[in-house]
Amino acid sequence: DTAVSQTPKYLVTQMGNDKSIKCEQNLGHDTMYWYKQDSKKFLKIMFSYNNKELIINETVPNRFSPKSPDKAHLNLHINSLELGDSAVYFCASSQEAGSKQYFGPGTRLTVT
Amino acid sequence: AQRVTQPEKLLSVFKGAPVELKCNYSYSGSPELFWYVQYSRQRLQLLLRHISRESIKGFTADLNKGETSFHLKKPFAQEEDSAMYYCALKAGGATNKLIFGTGTLLAVQP
Repeated sequence: DTAVSQTPKYLVTQMGNDKSIKCEQNLGHDTMYWYKQDSKKFLKIMFSYNNKELIINETVPNRFSPKSPDKAHLNLHINSLELGDSAVYFCASSQEAGSKQYFGPGTRLTVT
Repeated sequence: AQRVTQPEKLLSVFKGAPVELKCNYSYSGSPELFWYVQYSRQRLQLLLRHISRESIKGFTADLNKGETSFHLKKPFAQEEDSAMYYCALKAGGATNKLIFGTGTLLAVQP
């Protein structure tokens, strides 16, 4: 059973395009997160939603827009992609904010 | 400022040798700390948390408030321990977000 899933697993696109990454969790958790892992493996939180409400919004360009249609889904839409957006993006969920987090497999985004 | 420091980017040891992955934190309140692990081609997963005082896969970590450290230790490394290890601090407040260190890649040589 996949607890936290992300699609696509790999995404290669050109600069200037708009793309979305989807995340779904079947754990019944209330809180979901998006993290960015850069080429140096540095992992940093971007957004967090609790019951469809945005609770964490780090200093991220407004080209990045998370959307939570329901508490089981947290999608990440990126406009006008730039080379520096190339990274692995991880979705995660937890029962409540601050409790143990379960991570998805990651989406490797490559912007050319 | 809330910060997690992992000074070693890479730690290479031989199988059977002791391992210590260093983690120091900066936090004004009462910290809650975690170790997450990412094996090759696998998702990030929780290894252990200090409040549980548990030993997982032979790893332990003790919170030392005097030294503001939460080092991860294992007496005898195994090849399957090779992975990326992240120390994380749960920041307080309404968000309770996790602040991750930069990670340490542990490579256990045969």
